[in-house]
Amino acid sequence: KNEVEQSPQNLTAQEGEFITINCSYSVGISALHWLQQHPGGGIVSLFMLSSGKKKHGRLIATINIQEKHSSLHITASHPRDSAVYICAVLSGSARQLTFGSGTQLTVLP
Amino acid sequence: KAGVTQTPRYLIKTRGQQVTLSCSPISGHRSVSWYQQTPGQGLQFLFEYFSETQRNKGNFPGRFSGRQFSNSRSEMNVSTLELGDSALYLCASSWGTGRDNEQFFGPGTRLTVL
Repeated sequence: KNEVEQSPQNLTAQEGEFITINCSYSVGISALHWLQQHPGGGIVSLFMLSSGKKKHGRLIATINIQEKHSSLHITASHPRDSAVYICAVLSGSARQLTFGSGTQLTVLP
Repeated sequence: KAGVTQTPRYLIKTRGQQVTLSCSPISGHRSVSWYQQTPGQGLQFLFEYFSETQRNKGNFPGRFSGRQFSNSRSEMNVSTLELGDSALYLCASSWGTGRDNEQFFGPGTRLTVL
């Protein structure tokens, strides 16, 4: 079993829809990252959180430490949101990130 | 403020050769981490450097090595290249090594081994 599991693997939505991507992890963590990767490879860090909820524009990230679960929500989705979204956890005292396999999001106009 | 830069962006090598990739962190950042991304294994941690010292290492063979210079720039080297080393190599920098230090990623170097 992978330490970090994401669902769904692929997601297709219509423009304007509300989107949720889930991440579950099996280890104790000190922080969780949500990353966005566009075709071509560049990765952008969307959120880093260790508790509660963060919001940036149309993006919202939540984490439940007790349930070892995090969600990334996109409100009013737009075709430019099409990308791979990756969850990564920083566990214990180590600095190394362990990554989920990513969710390929396609938003259709 | 300039972001993380990586050079070269694309590289083609043949089996058995060696390769050196470079990463320049955001100005003021002292920690640099390297990651490998392949279609089969996804993103995997290679190593982290802070103040010219390797602080953490992932589960990769000794053919993968790195170093960090006094200006925080980092290089990684892969010797005796194998076909399976074809990947996108990403580096990320952060100010420090604490858990609250967010990592900022570079555009990556895409290595193809023929």
